[in-house]
Amino acid sequence: EPEVTQTPSHQVTQMGQEVILRCVPISNHLYFYWYRQILGQKVEFLVSFYNNEISEKSEIFDDQFSVERPDGSNFTLKIRSTKLEDSAMYFCASKRLTGTSKETQYFGPGTRLLVL
Amino acid sequence: AQSVTQLDSHVSVSEGTPVLLRCNYSSSYSPSLFWYVQHPNKGLQLLLKYTSAATLVKGINGFEAEFKKSETSFHLTKPSAHMSDAAEYFCVVSDQVDSSYKLIFGSGTRLLVRP
Repeated sequence: EPEVTQTPSHQVTQMGQEVILRCVPISNHLYFYWYRQILGQKVEFLVSFYNNEISEKSEIFDDQFSVERPDGSNFTLKIRSTKLEDSAMYFCASKRLTGTSKETQYFGPGTRLLVL
Repeated sequence: AQSVTQLDSHVSVSEGTPVLLRCNYSSSYSPSLFWYVQHPNKGLQLLLKYTSAATLVKGINGFEAEFKKSETSFHLTKPSAHMSDAAEYFCVVSDQVDSSYKLIFGSGTRLLVRP
């Protein structure tokens, strides 16, 4: 069964450094998402991406964040200058069809980011 | 605006007894509702979803949920808990009028299963 994959599984970085989190969505999916979960808190939406552009972003997704689909398979989240409060589990998700909220979003296993 | 309230942060049951995890939602239009499960150090797995077909939805591992519009509820149940059900459960809403179809998560309910 196809699945969403994410690399790395864990990332430790120093405050102020750039990090790139990578995701490979399911191959025939059209919508891509990043969510994050700070330890002990709820899962929060960061950004959605469709047709090679951001379709919606949350207040969390400020100028330090960017997303890219550099080729036909990868979907990346870049944090330009990490802060301590960026420490969280980051989940990538993808969805098959357009035009409906009924389609399931499939989640990757997550990347745990720790900013020191 | 959409929102989800999970009424219990922790639920503890004995193995073999019924499970009830409560969820209330707020949505301005026709919602799609989901339950996801997260086992320790694992990703999010879909248990079941409601998408305006049958109001009683059956999912994996014996779980089911009933959509009650009048009560704006989508409670998750299982007749008999198993030790392997111990995990965090998230009630999630997505709205048809939201063009990005983003998911809005509840704060989660941690299910503990006692032997």
